[in-house]
Amino acid sequence: AQSVTQLDSHVSVSEGTPVLLRCNYSSSYSPSLFWYVQHPNKGLQLLLKYTSAATLVKGINGFEAEFKKSETSFHLTKPSAHMSDAAEYFCVVSGTTGNQFYFGTGTSLTVIP
Amino acid sequence: EAGVAQSPRYKIIEKRQSVAFWCNPISGHATLYWYQQILGQGPKLLIQFQNNGVVDDSQLPKDRFSAERLKGVDSTLKIQPAKLEDSAVYLCASSPGLVYTGELFFGEGSRLTVL
Repeated sequence: AQSVTQLDSHVSVSEGTPVLLRCNYSSSYSPSLFWYVQHPNKGLQLLLKYTSAATLVKGINGFEAEFKKSETSFHLTKPSAHMSDAAEYFCVVSGTTGNQFYFGTGTSLTVIP
Repeated sequence: EAGVAQSPRYKIIEKRQSVAFWCNPISGHATLYWYQQILGQGPKLLIQFQNNGVVDDSQLPKDRFSAERLKGVDSTLKIQPAKLEDSAVYLCASSPGLVYTGELFFGEGSRLTVL
């Protein structure tokens, strides 16, 4: 079965400092992995996706994530946090059919001015 | 391109009442999903449609929840009777097709409060 574990439920960073949101996955095969962002009262938006191409994936708004098979991790990073990055972030793994998606429990990012 | 449309955005009902949510996916998207997102949790899949057929409804509480997508386009999710634990945001999402490992497109959700 496929699953993801988001290691931190809440992360606080100061504006202009790096962001690290951690995600570990469990899958019996090579998965597709995604990060989605959810701003308050808004729908979920795709930040980036890994689908077995380059292991370092660049997304929107300066975010990137690195797929590390040996560590079964897909951590999300950003060099410099902006106030507008404050939101809920979800790590997602695809299922065996490729069109099923399993969400982590989310990480709430707070950016301190 | 128009996004996924959902209505109503907010609904407050008493327990044991019924409620229905509507979703219109992106035009041409064959796969439609309903997720339940309880406060503080990640979205949980309730049901997945491919055109007007059900692909996965294993986590749908069928004694009280029902969903349909009659013409393979828009969809309705119904809860009858509602329980307090049904308070959640109901998210609709769509994607182009079954063998597709890319992006899900989400609506803004329908927030249900059961009193």
